[in-house]
Amino acid sequence: GAVVSQHPSWVICKSGTSVKIECRSLDFQATTMFWYRQFPKQSLMLMATSNEGSKATYEQGVEKDKFLINHASLTLSTLTVTSAHPEDSSFYICSAREQRQFHPTGQQYFGPGTRLTVT
Amino acid sequence: AQTVTQSQPEMSVQEAETVTLSCTYDTSENNYYLFWYKQPPSRQMILVIRQEAYKQQNATENRFSVNFQKAAKSFSLKISDSQLGDTAMYFCAYISNFGNEKLTFGTGTRLTIIP
Repeated sequence: GAVVSQHPSWVICKSGTSVKIECRSLDFQATTMFWYRQFPKQSLMLMATSNEGSKATYEQGVEKDKFLINHASLTLSTLTVTSAHPEDSSFYICSAREQRQFHPTGQQYFGPGTRLTVT
Repeated sequence: AQTVTQSQPEMSVQEAETVTLSCTYDTSENNYYLFWYKQPPSRQMILVIRQEAYKQQNATENRFSVNFQKAAKSFSLKISDSQLGDTAMYFCAYISNFGNEKLTFGTGTRLTIIP
């Protein structure tokens, strides 16, 4: 089956610094990738939808200047948390939709997630 | 806007028994897809089963089956012969077939299989 990887799986950073999380589709091309945030014992909250070669679409309440998303190729999307603060500590999950699947219900495959801790 | 409701925050069942997880949703659309995802302690999201709204036949995947009641907007998951590896968070999810590619997730049900 299709595989999506995330790197790093776990990162600790100091308050005020920036951290980049990568999401890669390993064996398929993904025109669309999604970034989610998940707090402990809660559901996934969609942060933004990332389309290759265009600007990301952010959900209401998500600061686009704080959570920078880049989708430069069909296999890579990155999420950069800028000027991180302790309240940004969370579990971040990406998913990728296969290009060959017909719009809009192409199968989404999820990455294993990245645990961010801001001290 | 579509909403997905899972009314059982936690459930537990003895190994080898059958358990049913509930999910209801609200939509004004006629064509859509419904999913059950499993998130084990590793936190990797795994697709368990998928149902197309236009199909009357309930989807099945080995020990997993759904009871899809379109008129009632209900989509429950039945796990038969439950195994210890079934212990996980289970999320019901909805996606529209009309250009909105976003998955809408329920709040989840934490299922524990007791040895």
